[in-house]
Amino acid sequence: GENVEQHPSTLSVQEGDSAVIKCTYSDSASNYFPWYKQELGKRPQLIIDIRSNVGEKKDQRIAVTLNKTAKHFSLHITETQPEDSAVYFCAASGPGSSNTGKLIFGQGTTLQVKP
Amino acid sequence: EAGVTQFPSHSVIEKGQTVTLRCDPISGHDNLYWYRRVMGKEIKFLLHFVKESKQDESGMPNNRFLAERTGGTYSTLKVQPAELEDSGVYFCASSSSGRALAGELFFGEGSRLTVL
Repeated sequence: GENVEQHPSTLSVQEGDSAVIKCTYSDSASNYFPWYKQELGKRPQLIIDIRSNVGEKKDQRIAVTLNKTAKHFSLHITETQPEDSAVYFCAASGPGSSNTGKLIFGQGTTLQVKP
Repeated sequence: EAGVTQFPSHSVIEKGQTVTLRCDPISGHDNLYWYRRVMGKEIKFLLHFVKESKQDESGMPNNRFLAERTGGTYSTLKVQPAELEDSGVYFCASSSSGRALAGELFFGEGSRLTVL
């Protein structure tokens, strides 16, 4: 079945530095790739998403890139701040899920931003 | 709008007991999903309701798990009897019909289940 691999599992950066999290997916039919941020004890929240018809999307300090040929996508956070510390999950729309909203998630990356 | 709410936030039970988790989706959202995260692993899909019907239950681990959504509003997920490996955080998510096409889900804060 569909599989999403996410790396690294933990990432520690200094405040102001950039952070990059990478994901690969197995189902070439996947066409929707969201990123969720989960702060400690809170709900996962969508922070940015990208669809298969574009290669890059930016929203202030965060950006996502997608390489459909290689089946990987990445989250880039620039000028990191302590409040960026959280667990980040990538996801891909699952097999046959173009009309169901089912998502396949990666394992999560714990990002720590040191002041 | 009120978000997805889940109850209880944390449940500690002994192996062999029964637990029922509840999810109230955002009002008007036809799509309701259950996901589970076991410690340190991915958030794994369990099942998907469209209104009161099960659209996809391919992720349900075994027949100890029973999900219902009577009347197409709130949903319950019952684990009976619970085993140690059922421990984890159970997330509920919802989406309106239109947004489900894009996979845009709104999550609850999760119900943490600890089976001793």
